[in-house]
This record gives sequence, structure tokens and C-alpha cells, in this order.
Amino acid sequence: EAAVTQSPRSKVAVTGGKVTLSCHQTNNHDYMYWYRQDTGHGLRLIHYSYVADSTEKGDIPDGYKASRPSQENFSLILELASLSQTAVYFCASSDVGLGINQDTQYFGPGTRLLVL
Amino acid sequence: QQQVRQSPQSLTVWEGGTTVLTCSYEDSTFNYFPWYQQFPGEGPALLISILSVSDKKEDGRFTTFFNKREKKLSLHIIDSQPGDSATYFCAASSNTGYQNFYFGKGTSLTVIP
Repeated sequence: EAAVTQSPRSKVAVTGGKVTLSCHQTNNHDYMYWYRQDTGHGLRLIHYSYVADSTEKGDIPDGYKASRPSQENFSLILELASLSQTAVYFCASSDVGLGINQDTQYFGPGTRLLVL
Repeated sequence: QQQVRQSPQSLTVWEGGTTVLTCSYEDSTFNYFPWYQQFPGEGPALLISILSVSDKKEDGRFTTFFNKREKKLSLHIIDSQPGDSATYFCAASSNTGYQNFYFGKGTSLTVIP
């Protein structure tokens, strides 16, 4: 069974503070993704990575950085958290690559972030 | 511009009834359409998917239909159960990478016993 874990599961942060969300996968997948989910917007891709030590911008990267120190780990970093970044964040992994050859994404349980 | 439109936004059905969720898309190059199911407090999980070469795919009580001419797809759940209560996302892909992979905004389904 594919496994993607996220930490923390929930977090309260102050505006202007730094937030780091972590993701770990045991699927041996090359691709990892960070999404945010907001009511009425569905899932939106922030950053993704297809190899360690390399990250790519997704559809809404502004205000976020990503780090992929190893195949198993992928972090999302909010250097200066803002109120608008309150959302649920999901990490996912996949084998072949998003949209390629009917590739399936395996999602983590999510991190609920509240910025005050 | 929303590449994948999903409706309705929310839906309530009685236990035992049939649920129908629909999606439409714009890009005629889309050829792969997965449906994801998300329970509260969990991440989405692949439920069923269909390729554009097919018009129907079944998996137990879940069936997805694809209409290439109308650029529409639907998810039918027969004998809906309270355990089916979840948010359902359709997605569309043109098999060319993330740049052409889009999620719909989701449908929140509630099945009343």
C-alpha cells in the first residue's frame, strides 16, 4: 500500500512567521507534489519535484518555497506566512509524472494551516 | 479559465438512490479522466478512471461515462450508501505533464440513511 505521511497535521502560525510543512513517502516514487485546498477552489498545485535536490513551480508558487533533500522527503516552506495562506495543504507522490500514462497520485492526509 | 467544470457543487441523496455527478472540459486534447474520492480529514484517493478511447467503465457500484463529442463525463453511483458521503473530484489530463492536468472544484455528496 502506497504511503504518504505529512507533519504536522495541523498548525497555527502568526502572520510574518516562517512555516515548514513536511512530507515523507515510502512509495519509492520519483514525483512529489504540494497542493493547497480551499473551499470553492478544489486542489491547486504549488510546487512539484521529479528528482532530489530539484523543485519546479506549479500553478500558484508565489509565497511558497519547496525543498526536496531526498527522494522520500519534500517540504513546503512559507518564509513569511500571510492570512491568505490559511488552507489545507496536501502532499502527493506519483511514479511516472502528473498526467503521464494514466499516472496515479497518492495523497497524504493533509496539514490544516491557520495563519493568524 | 476553469479547464474542468464540475457540477453540482453539493448533492444530497437518500440511501439506495443513484448519484450522478458531472464534469465538462474545454481542451479536446484531454484523454485521461480520473475521479478522486476524498473523505473528511483525509487526502483524495483514486476511485475510478477512464481513457478517451472508452465510453464507459465500471467498478462495482461506480460507473464513469465519457462523451467525447460533448466533452463531458459523469460518475454514477448506484445503491448509494452513507459511507459514500465524501467529496468527489474529476480531473482531466492530456498526457503531456502537469501543465495539462486539471482538477475540478469538487462535489460534496451526502447520503442520508
